[in-house]
Amino acid sequence: EAQVTQNPRYLITVTGKKLTVTCSQNMNHEYMSWYRQDPGLGLRQIYYSMNVEVTDKGDVPEGYKVSRKEKRNFPLILESPSPNQTSLYFCASTPQMRGGWETQYFGPGTRLLVL
Amino acid sequence: SQQGEEDPQALSIQEGENATMNCSYKTSINNLQWYRQNSGRGLVHLILIRSNEREKHSGRLRVTLDTSKKSSSLLITASRAADTASYFCATYTGKLIFGQGTTLQVKP
Repeated sequence: EAQVTQNPRYLITVTGKKLTVTCSQNMNHEYMSWYRQDPGLGLRQIYYSMNVEVTDKGDVPEGYKVSRKEKRNFPLILESPSPNQTSLYFCASTPQMRGGWETQYFGPGTRLLVL
Repeated sequence: SQQGEEDPQALSIQEGENATMNCSYKTSINNLQWYRQNSGRGLVHLILIRSNEREKHSGRLRVTLDTSKKSSSLLITASRAADTASYFCATYTGKLIFGQGTTLQVKP
């Protein structure tokens, strides 16, 4: 089944404790991205990757890191989480991002609480 | 305000009624997409309408696009309780930007 998977689905952590949220897609998509969703603010893009070893900042990259060593995986790293990073996180992928014609496929989400 | 704003923010209707939600955007677009999100879950693509199309149908969904007014509407006909979800429009301006969504509640 074609899908985007994220792990963990739920995570409670404390301020400053490094964490990684994994994202994997099995559709051979070139483009992957991370979003966070907060009430009243909608979806905001954190980072995106046009292809392997190519990553770039989205609208709200502060406090986050990403890597794209393989086509299928795009982990999101919070080196020192803070309470304002408490949010619902989504990974998404699409075959390419040229002109916005392509459907984005979203993962199930990771709900993060930083105490 | 953001590229892609939905209106209303929330909508509550009875099963069987039609639901209409609107999206306005600021800049020229190639196309506009609509997505659905069930509570706390990932977004699912519903429909894409090209800038040279005025109307598109998919099952009970009807999408219109008015490029002169920079607006689009999503109509769900004969709504069902299972249509309860948030609906987002998305436009591409070098990157895909999502609106803040309309939360639809369909009461049985």
